[in-house]
Amino acid sequence: EAGVTQFPSHSVIEKGQTVTLRCDPISGHDNLYWYRRVMGKEIKFLLHFVKESKQDESGMPNNRFLAERTGGTYSTLKVQPAELEDSGVYFCASSQARGSGANVLTFGAGSRLTVL
Amino acid sequence: AQSVTQLGSHVSVSEGALVLLRCNYSSSVPPYLFWYVQYPNQGLQLLLKYTSAATLVKGINGFEAEFKKSETSFHLTKPSAHMSDAAEYFCAVNAGNNRKLIWGLGTSLAVNP
Repeated sequence: EAGVTQFPSHSVIEKGQTVTLRCDPISGHDNLYWYRRVMGKEIKFLLHFVKESKQDESGMPNNRFLAERTGGTYSTLKVQPAELEDSGVYFCASSQARGSGANVLTFGAGSRLTVL
Repeated sequence: AQSVTQLGSHVSVSEGALVLLRCNYSSSVPPYLFWYVQYPNQGLQLLLKYTSAATLVKGINGFEAEFKKSETSFHLTKPSAHMSDAAEYFCAVNAGNNRKLIWGLGTSLAVNP
């Protein structure tokens, strides 16, 4: 079974530019999550999709961040325009729709974003 | 609100020594608790989880953790450290129906030969 795939693994952009991160969850996983770790701080929740619907986006920092999951498969997280404080590692995770597996998140390797 | 505190951002042990990584949580409802590990240049991997069944939970790679409600703790242990255990370890809590994980700051484990 393929795991959660994220790309790019590392992106370096200048302040004001746009970056799009992509996440391919495990096939069949309805739940998809985005988390972020800023250096020196804890991993923080950004948002949760159930299929193509945003279940909870309470962790999105501001309106410069836009997440989509068209068709309920892969997801993208766009940052536009990027600011210095957006630097960090963005993790994607997925889980099954229901049952005990719904609470077990499988994470990707993360996308490291550096904003200069 | 839920929160997680990991005591010690860096822990160093000798190969073969006991590993003890501390995690305390705060939750107003019965929690699910998790330990994840991140090896260098890899993603977060689930080590073990507590989901209200047995309070002593065994995970992968010889790790285990004990849920102690009275102490609101979920410390991670391994009897004998191996060089390959060097990684960053994260404790997380999931309480409520939203399945959102609340994380500790992480503990970086170094294993010395």
